[in-house]
Amino acid sequence: DQQVKQNSPSLSVQEGRISILNCDYTNSMFDYFLWYKKYPAEGPTFLISISSIKDKNEDGRFTVFLNKSAKHLSLHIVPSQPGDSAVYFCAASRSGSARQLTFGSGTQLTVLP
Amino acid sequence: DTGVSQDPRHKITKRGQNVTFRCDPISEHNRLYWYRQTLGQGPEFLTYFQNEAQLEKSRLLSDRFSAERPKGSFSTLEIQRTEQGDSAMYLCASSLDSGGLGYTFGSGTRLTVV
Repeated sequence: DQQVKQNSPSLSVQEGRISILNCDYTNSMFDYFLWYKKYPAEGPTFLISISSIKDKNEDGRFTVFLNKSAKHLSLHIVPSQPGDSAVYFCAASRSGSARQLTFGSGTQLTVLP
Repeated sequence: DTGVSQDPRHKITKRGQNVTFRCDPISEHNRLYWYRQTLGQGPEFLTYFQNEAQLEKSRLLSDRFSAERPKGSFSTLEIQRTEQGDSAMYLCASSLDSGGLGYTFGSGTRLTVV
């Protein structure tokens, strides 16, 4: 039972355009959501997070949107750069779980120059 | 501080052998996590330490798996009687209690069981 789903295994975007990565979850107990970026041969790197009390969080070129009623979140990268090419993982956690993370299966983003 | 360090980076072992991996977290981090990642999947939670106490274990962690964190510093993950299904990337992460959930992951140990 996949509680966090990333239905697009890959996404290609032109440099300078917007990248939108999507994530759906099924467990309504999740109250904190994160995005991680992973380059080959490296561990995942924390990118941005959002609490369930918010619907938007921005950090530079990265914005995460949360739609609790739809159990959906998305990561927007504007403008996209070739260095953004990586696998992006959506993750979720719930209070009282020692903050263990449940990850999606990832989306490979390729930003074309 | 060089981040979370894992050793070895790669391990090839024959089925049935025991293997042990080491993780050195960021020194001031009191929480330490082990995750496992297989090809095409996201990391899956295995176990969690708060200082030296192992507080949570996933049902993925069969009795062939054991983890320790003596003195609340480095941690080891041992797999006994390895099986081919154990082949995966084993990731260690650490954080502070108030770290906003932004774990710092190590680069992982890739295990191949032949």
